[in-house]
Amino acid sequence: DTGVSQDPRHKITKRGQNVTFRCDPISEHNRLYWYRQTLGQGPEFLTYFQNEAQLEKSRLLSDRFSAERPKGSFSTLEIQRTEQGDSAMYLCASGTGKETQYFGPGTRLLVL
Amino acid sequence: AQRVTQPEKLLSVFKGAPVELKCNYSYSGSPELFWYVQYSRQRLQLLLRHISRESIKGFTADLNKGETSFHLKKPFAQEEDSAMYYCALFMDSNYQLIWGAGTKLIIKP
Repeated sequence: DTGVSQDPRHKITKRGQNVTFRCDPISEHNRLYWYRQTLGQGPEFLTYFQNEAQLEKSRLLSDRFSAERPKGSFSTLEIQRTEQGDSAMYLCASGTGKETQYFGPGTRLLVL
Repeated sequence: AQRVTQPEKLLSVFKGAPVELKCNYSYSGSPELFWYVQYSRQRLQLLLRHISRESIKGFTADLNKGETSFHLKKPFAQEEDSAMYYCALFMDSNYQLIWGAGTKLIIKP
């Protein structure tokens, strides 16, 4: 499968713990996006990378959230001191231009 | 403010009937709009984009700037069309996609 992959697919954690998610984009894609999706809503933009540079960051992304793409390939999204409100599906997408974004399967986070 | 509105959370039609999923947008710039679809237990995938003016799986969507709409249409629904459909607006200024809340389409046999 040469599509976008995400790991883990599911994560259950206790409030206050840190979690880290990984996204492996399609290899030739230089653009990588993170979104958050809660029940009954469409995805909400979190952040965007072009190669290794983080070019946009949503106001939704509090100081507890950080994302990296160190070599312009895979990316990680870390949430520190998780809160119950962080429970959501975290989606990663990649692309080469603005027209189409290819999505991964998502990581479902549950904070107890 | 930029916004995408999908007024129907759920749309249920019979197989063979026409389908129209509504999408309205608010954007001061030149809009680039997309429809994404998510079938059960599958990932989000692009269905169509307005700039290509193509028809995918029998679906079409026309951008109406006067009504700020980008409704998705299909003349004869099929059971395999049952899915979640999301309308999205691309913002050239910051490469963000702004998404509607989605419409769940159910095609009844």
